[in-house]
Amino acid sequence: NAGVTQTPKFRVLKTGQSMTLLCAQDMNHEYMYWYRQDPGMGLRLIHYSVGEGTTAKGEVPDGYNVSRLKKQNFLLGLESAAPSQTSVYFCASRNRQGSYNEQFFGPGTRLTVL
Amino acid sequence: KQEVTQIPAALSVPEGENLVLNCSFTDSAIYNLQWFRQDPGKGLTSLLLIQSSQREQTSGRLNASLDKSSGRSTLYIAASQPGDSATYLCAVNNAGNMLTFGGGTRLMVKP
Repeated sequence: NAGVTQTPKFRVLKTGQSMTLLCAQDMNHEYMYWYRQDPGMGLRLIHYSVGEGTTAKGEVPDGYNVSRLKKQNFLLGLESAAPSQTSVYFCASRNRQGSYNEQFFGPGTRLTVL
Repeated sequence: KQEVTQIPAALSVPEGENLVLNCSFTDSAIYNLQWFRQDPGKGLTSLLLIQSSQREQTSGRLNASLDKSSGRSTLYIAASQPGDSATYLCAVNNAGNMLTFGGGTRLMVKP
């Protein structure tokens, strides 16, 4: 049971380049999330998904797109990277059922945009 | 809009001390509150989750309390150890789907 995994772990992009970050979970969770973490600002929600085929905007969605074609995968895309998107990106998932809505986090992807 | 604040931003204590980390939030209509630990360059590890109907949760040397009406939570760490050195994050779930995080408290426990 690997939990939540993210690929790649590190990436350097030039301004204007595109890339996709992959999040995978093997816990059969319904909900998945993408956050970014910047120094001194905690984590902020970018987009989330409440089930296969659904996505919704979070607090800071501009410049990002997401897709949830399979229940276990949640993709985060940057169509035209900007230096302001330099950050550490975390994916998380949780089970819809149950009173405890604990989120489980992946190890993060460190992205630098030059 | 929910805002979460953690004080202090950084804390350095000698080994063996008991310590308290603080978290405050502006909107008391929450589902639950979660405390996380983050080691440098790593992801988040969930420590404790307190439901809105609960007052506290305990796990080993950690105890988290919640006072929903005043918008406060504390994380108490007993007999601190160098291995406790990390950043501690508080997050509030008040919309069923989204967590709002504080900025974290960076803890250093000196041997």
